[in-house]
Amino acid sequence: GQNIDQPTEMTATEGAIVQINCTYQTSGFNGLFWYQQHAGEAPTFLSYNVLDGLEEKGRFSSFLSRSKGYSYLLLKELQMKDSASYLCAVKGYSTLTFGKGTMLLVSP
Amino acid sequence: DVKVTQSSRYLVKRTGEKVFLECVQDMDHENMFWYRQDPGLGLRLIYFSYDVKMKEKGDIPEGYSVSREKKERFSLILESASTNQTSMYLCASSSPTSGRADTGELFFGEGSRLTVL
Repeated sequence: GQNIDQPTEMTATEGAIVQINCTYQTSGFNGLFWYQQHAGEAPTFLSYNVLDGLEEKGRFSSFLSRSKGYSYLLLKELQMKDSASYLCAVKGYSTLTFGKGTMLLVSP
Repeated sequence: DVKVTQSSRYLVKRTGEKVFLECVQDMDHENMFWYRQDPGLGLRLIYFSYDVKMKEKGDIPEGYSVSREKKERFSLILESASTNQTSMYLCASSSPTSGRADTGELFFGEGSRLTVL
């Protein structure tokens, strides 16, 4: 089975940097996704890691350590529109298993 | 532009009613999924399908069934709705080579919020 942990809530200030952690224990691993979900909307793709290391994409970066079962999503230069839920999801043999999500609140 | 369309954004049903949630994708994806999303529990997989007429149970299949008669359409059925099935239902699709760099990325519909009274 899969067990995925991420913090329930985080708060940060506009312009700051925030790191959202995700730890996982899985019976099969074929990559890790991060999705963003605004209230009342569908999740949308942010990043994908399958090899160890950092993937950078504009203001967002994602890191993976397979040996530690650990990933983080780094958001820089926070904007008010970044207030959303961030979902960590592990790709197993055939399906994605999601963590419970981290609600990020960005304040002025 | 890729699209996953769910038939109803909001539904209100009564206990014991049969409920159909429809999902259509226009990306020719092989795989389709039904998740439910609840506060504090996140997204949980109900059923998925790899091909027409194929179905596999996810983590929480009890009380649900599915139908996939055509590649583009995946239906979720609640045979006798109960109040604990009040939830947001999300349909998604993928293929082994979908999304950025063939990651198998999931594409989601907008969701169907079901309330069972």
